Amino acid sequence: GESVGLHLPTLSVQEGDNSIINCAYSNSASDYFIWYKQESGKGPQFIIDIRSNMDKRQGQRVTVLLNKTVKHLSLQIAATQPGDSAVYFCAGPGSEKLVFGKGTKLTVNP
Amino acid sequence: DAGVTQSPTHLIKTRGQQVTLRCSPISGHKSVSWYQQVLGQGPQFIFQYYEKEERGRGNFPDRFSARQFPNYSSELNVNALLLGDSALYLCASSLTGRNEKLFFGSGTQLSVL
Repeated sequence: GESVGLHLPTLSVQEGDNSIINCAYSNSASDYFIWYKQESGKGPQFIIDIRSNMDKRQGQRVTVLLNKTVKHLSLQIAATQPGDSAVYFCAGPGSEKLVFGKGTKLTVNP
Repeated sequence: DAGVTQSPTHLIKTRGQQVTLRCSPISGHKSVSWYQQVLGQGPQFIFQYYEKEERGRGNFPDRFSARQFPNYSSELNVNALLLGDSALYLCASSLTGRNEKLFFGSGTQLSVL
């Protein structure tokens, strides 16, 4: 079946540094991916998505890179701020649903 | 604009009881999906409804059921509650029936004692 998984369960960075959160997927036919941010006590918040016909997509302070050859995607957050502290999920398409990884907890140190 | 709203926010039940969770999608969104999230894990798919019809069902027992109303709001019902049903139940809405750009509510935290 489909699976998406993040490489690291936790990531700690200094305020102002760039953060990179990595994700791998198993289904080479996957054509769409989403990144979500989930703060404590809240539901997942949409950050950015990318289709498989793209290698890179940029948003406000965030960039998603997709490497279809090695079935890997990453979320880069520029100039990480304390408000970026949260759990980040990548999600990919499964049959009739989105399949989520376990999440990476990002901690931003002042 | 209002996002996805869920009620109640918190709920405590005992084993064997039944529970109904409610969700109102973003205005104009016709698809509602339900996910279960246990602590430390990513959300797991339960149901998707689009235009009031069930589009998909995850690997959950028949104790779980759902429906979508003409105004596109939705209810998730769980019968014969077990301790293992304790979780955050998330509702997500999207414009189309495709599983893309799902927008989530804040969830209902269910505790089964």
